[in-house]
Amino acid sequence: DGGITQSPKYLFRKEGQNVTLSCEQNLNHDAMYWYRQDPGQGLRLIYYSQIVNDFQKGDIAEGYSVSREKKESFPLTVTSAQKNPTAFYLCASSIGASVADTQYFGPGTRLTVL
Amino acid sequence: AQSVTQLDSQVPVFEEAPVELRCNYSSSVSVYLFWYVQYPNQGLQLLLKYLSGSTLVKGINGFEAEFNKSQTSFHLRKPSVHISDTAEYFCAVRKGNAGNMLTFGGGTRLMVKP
Repeated sequence: DGGITQSPKYLFRKEGQNVTLSCEQNLNHDAMYWYRQDPGQGLRLIYYSQIVNDFQKGDIAEGYSVSREKKESFPLTVTSAQKNPTAFYLCASSIGASVADTQYFGPGTRLTVL
Repeated sequence: AQSVTQLDSQVPVFEEAPVELRCNYSSSVSVYLFWYVQYPNQGLQLLLKYLSGSTLVKGINGFEAEFNKSQTSFHLRKPSVHISDTAEYFCAVRKGNAGNMLTFGGGTRLMVKP
Protein backbone atom coordinates (compact mmCIF):
# COMPACT_ATOMS: atom_id res chain seq x y z
CA ASP A 1 0.00 0.00 0.00
CA GLY A 2 1.23 3.48 -0.78
CA GLY A 3 1.17 6.03 1.94
CA ILE A 4 2.89 8.00 4.65
CA THR A 5 4.05 6.40 7.86
CA GLN A 6 5.05 8.18 11.04
CA SER A 7 6.67 6.57 14.00
CA PRO A 8 6.34 6.25 16.84
CA LYS A 9 2.64 6.97 17.41
CA TYR A 10 3.28 8.12 20.98
CA LEU A 11 6.56 9.52 22.29
CA PHE A 12 7.58 10.62 25.76
CA ARG A 13 10.59 12.76 26.39
CA LYS A 14 12.27 14.18 29.44
CA GLU A 15 13.03 17.86 29.50
CA GLY A 16 16.40 18.68 27.99
CA GLN A 17 16.47 15.69 25.64
CA ASN A 18 16.48 15.82 21.86
CA VAL A 19 14.08 13.47 20.10
CA THR A 20 13.64 12.53 16.43
CA LEU A 21 10.30 11.83 14.78
CA SER A 22 10.27 9.64 11.70
CA CYS A 23 8.33 10.30 8.48
CA GLU A 24 8.53 7.99 5.48
CA GLN A 25 6.54 8.02 2.24
CA ASN A 26 6.45 5.57 -0.65
CA LEU A 27 4.35 7.77 -2.93
CA ASN A 28 7.36 9.05 -4.88
CA HIS A 29 6.46 12.59 -3.82
CA ASP A 30 9.01 15.36 -4.17
CA ALA A 31 7.65 17.69 -1.46
CA MET A 32 7.34 16.94 2.26
CA TYR A 33 6.16 18.99 5.23
CA TRP A 34 6.09 18.99 9.01
CA TYR A 35 3.23 20.57 10.96
CA ARG A 36 2.56 21.02 14.63
CA GLN A 37 -1.03 20.82 15.91
CA ASP A 38 -2.16 22.34 19.22
CA PRO A 39 -5.77 22.36 20.44
CA GLY A 40 -7.77 25.23 18.97
CA GLN A 41 -4.87 26.50 16.85
CA GLY A 42 -5.10 24.40 13.74
CA LEU A 43 -1.87 23.35 12.09
CA ARG A 44 1.29 25.42 11.92
CA LEU A 45 4.10 24.74 9.46
CA ILE A 46 7.48 23.90 10.99
CA TYR A 47 9.63 22.98 7.96
CA TYR A 48 9.11 21.96 4.37
CA SER A 49 11.20 20.43 1.64
CA GLN A 50 10.42 20.72 -2.03
CA ILE A 51 13.20 18.42 -3.19
CA VAL A 52 15.91 16.14 -1.83
CA ASN A 53 18.78 17.91 -0.05
CA ASP A 54 16.82 21.13 0.26
CA PHE A 55 14.48 22.40 2.98
CA GLN A 56 13.05 25.70 4.19
CA LYS A 57 11.85 27.05 7.52
CA GLY A 58 8.16 27.44 8.06
CA ASP A 59 6.38 29.69 10.54
CA ILE A 60 7.62 28.05 13.77
CA ALA A 61 11.02 26.50 13.00
CA GLU A 62 12.78 27.61 16.21
CA GLY A 63 13.84 24.63 18.31
CA TYR A 64 13.42 22.15 15.45
CA SER A 65 15.72 20.73 12.78
CA VAL A 66 15.20 18.50 9.73
CA SER A 67 17.14 16.67 7.05
CA ARG A 68 16.19 15.43 3.58
CA GLU A 69 18.90 13.05 2.48
CA LYS A 70 16.50 10.67 0.74
CA LYS A 71 13.36 11.41 -1.26
CA GLU A 72 11.22 9.13 0.86
CA SER A 73 12.36 10.32 4.30
CA PHE A 74 12.02 13.63 6.17
CA PRO A 75 12.86 13.19 9.88
CA LEU A 76 12.15 15.98 12.38
CA THR A 77 14.31 16.53 15.46
CA VAL A 78 12.78 18.35 18.39
CA THR A 79 15.67 19.87 20.28
CA SER A 80 15.96 20.96 23.89
CA ALA A 81 15.72 24.56 22.63
CA GLN A 82 12.02 24.06 21.83
CA LYS A 83 10.30 25.67 24.81
CA ASN A 84 6.95 23.89 24.63
CA PRO A 85 7.30 20.71 22.56
CA THR A 86 4.25 18.81 23.80
CA ALA A 87 1.98 18.60 20.74
CA PHE A 88 0.67 16.42 17.92
CA TYR A 89 3.09 16.37 14.98
CA LEU A 90 1.89 15.69 11.45
CA CYS A 91 3.97 14.93 8.39
CA ALA A 92 2.61 15.45 4.88
CA SER A 93 3.78 15.04 1.31
CA SER A 94 2.70 16.17 -2.15
CA ILE A 95 3.78 15.15 -5.61
CA GLY A 96 5.05 18.65 -6.29
CA ALA A 97 4.79 22.19 -4.96
CA SER A 98 2.03 23.46 -7.25
CA VAL A 99 -1.17 24.72 -5.64
CA ALA A 100 -3.00 21.91 -7.44
CA ASP A 101 -0.86 19.27 -5.71
CA THR A 102 -2.78 17.85 -2.78
CA GLN A 103 -0.99 17.36 0.49
CA TYR A 104 -1.43 13.87 1.94
CA PHE A 105 -1.00 13.46 5.68
CA GLY A 106 0.46 10.74 7.86
CA PRO A 107 -1.30 9.51 11.03
CA GLY A 108 0.76 11.73 13.35
CA THR A 109 3.02 11.39 16.39
CA ARG A 110 1.90 12.63 19.79
CA LEU A 111 4.88 13.96 21.74
CA THR A 112 4.64 14.50 25.48
CA VAL A 113 7.39 16.11 27.51
CA LEU A 114 7.49 14.85 31.08
CA ALA B 1 -0.64 37.88 4.61
CA GLN B 2 -3.30 35.25 4.37
CA SER B 3 -5.38 34.20 7.37
CA VAL B 4 -8.33 31.91 8.03
CA THR B 5 -11.05 32.24 10.65
CA GLN B 6 -13.36 29.43 11.61
CA LEU B 7 -15.96 31.11 13.76
CA ASP B 8 -17.35 28.03 15.46
CA SER B 9 -15.05 25.86 17.54
CA GLN B 10 -17.81 23.25 18.03
CA VAL B 11 -21.00 22.49 16.13
CA PRO B 12 -23.43 19.97 17.64
CA VAL B 13 -26.09 18.61 15.29
CA PHE B 14 -28.53 15.73 15.20
CA GLU B 15 -28.12 12.88 12.74
CA GLU B 16 -29.78 13.50 9.34
CA ALA B 17 -29.93 17.27 9.94
CA PRO B 18 -28.16 19.72 7.59
CA VAL B 19 -24.96 21.40 8.72
CA GLU B 20 -22.88 24.41 7.71
CA LEU B 21 -19.34 24.97 8.97
CA ARG B 22 -18.22 28.55 8.49
CA CYS B 23 -14.89 29.73 7.14
CA ASN B 24 -13.77 33.27 6.37
CA TYR B 25 -10.42 34.20 4.90
CA SER B 26 -8.31 37.23 4.18
CA SER B 27 -5.94 37.34 1.27
CA SER B 28 -4.34 40.00 -0.85
CA VAL B 29 -3.39 37.61 -3.63
CA SER B 30 -5.14 34.94 -5.71
CA VAL B 31 -7.24 32.76 -3.47
CA TYR B 32 -7.04 28.99 -3.29
CA LEU B 33 -9.13 27.35 -0.58
CA PHE B 34 -9.29 23.90 0.98
CA TRP B 35 -11.31 21.91 3.50
CA TYR B 36 -9.71 18.99 5.35
CA VAL B 37 -11.25 16.50 7.80
CA GLN B 38 -9.46 14.88 10.75
CA TYR B 39 -10.89 11.83 12.48
CA PRO B 40 -9.74 11.23 16.10
CA ASN B 41 -6.00 10.56 16.43
CA GLN B 42 -5.49 10.50 12.68
CA GLY B 43 -3.96 12.70 10.02
CA LEU B 44 -5.91 15.06 7.79
CA GLN B 45 -7.76 14.06 4.63
CA LEU B 46 -8.70 16.45 1.84
CA LEU B 47 -12.48 16.93 1.48
CA LEU B 48 -12.48 19.44 -1.36
CA LYS B 49 -10.64 22.39 -2.81
CA TYR B 50 -11.33 25.54 -4.82
CA LEU B 51 -8.67 26.53 -7.32
CA SER B 52 -10.71 28.22 -10.07
CA GLY B 53 -13.90 27.86 -12.09
CA SER B 54 -17.29 27.11 -10.57
CA THR B 55 -17.73 28.64 -7.13
CA LEU B 56 -19.67 25.59 -5.92
CA VAL B 57 -17.26 22.79 -5.20
CA LYS B 58 -18.32 19.23 -4.49
CA GLY B 59 -16.16 16.95 -2.40
CA ILE B 60 -16.11 13.51 -0.88
CA ASN B 61 -18.65 12.09 1.58
CA GLY B 62 -21.44 14.34 0.28
CA PHE B 63 -19.85 17.62 1.36
CA GLU B 64 -19.80 20.78 -0.73
CA ALA B 65 -18.54 24.32 -0.29
CA GLU B 66 -19.21 27.64 -1.96
CA PHE B 67 -16.56 30.25 -2.65
CA ASN B 68 -18.00 33.72 -2.09
CA LYS B 69 -15.50 36.37 -3.05
CA SER B 70 -17.56 39.36 -1.92
CA GLN B 71 -18.06 37.89 1.55
CA THR B 72 -14.57 36.31 1.63
CA SER B 73 -16.13 33.05 2.73
CA PHE B 74 -15.83 29.36 1.91
CA HIS B 75 -18.49 27.67 4.04
CA LEU B 76 -18.75 23.87 4.09
CA ARG B 77 -22.19 22.25 3.90
CA LYS B 78 -23.81 18.84 3.99
CA PRO B 79 -27.58 18.38 3.60
CA SER B 80 -27.82 15.36 5.91
CA VAL B 81 -25.10 14.30 8.33
CA HIS B 82 -24.28 10.85 9.68
CA ILE B 83 -22.77 9.78 12.98
CA SER B 84 -19.62 8.91 11.03
CA ASP B 85 -19.18 12.59 10.08
CA THR B 86 -18.17 13.35 13.68
CA ALA B 87 -14.67 14.78 13.29
CA GLU B 88 -12.68 18.01 13.25
CA TYR B 89 -12.82 20.09 10.09
CA PHE B 90 -10.13 22.51 8.98
CA CYS B 91 -10.37 25.28 6.42
CA ALA B 92 -7.12 26.37 4.77
CA VAL B 93 -5.92 28.99 2.30
CA ARG B 94 -2.78 28.94 0.24
CA LYS B 95 -0.06 30.94 1.88
CA GLY B 96 1.61 33.56 -0.32
CA ASN B 97 1.37 33.76 -4.06
CA ALA B 98 3.33 30.66 -5.04
CA GLY B 99 3.71 27.02 -4.15
CA ASN B 100 1.25 25.08 -2.03
CA MET B 101 2.05 26.10 1.54
CA LEU B 102 -1.16 26.35 3.54
CA THR B 103 -2.43 28.53 6.37
CA PHE B 104 -4.99 26.64 8.46
CA GLY B 105 -7.90 27.86 10.53
CA GLY B 106 -8.30 26.76 14.14
CA GLY B 107 -10.71 23.96 13.27
CA THR B 108 -14.39 23.19 13.96
CA ARG B 109 -15.38 20.08 15.84
CA LEU B 110 -18.56 18.61 14.35
CA MET B 111 -20.44 16.45 16.84
CA VAL B 112 -23.28 14.42 15.34
CA LYS B 113 -25.77 13.12 17.88
CA PRO B 114 -28.23 10.24 17.36
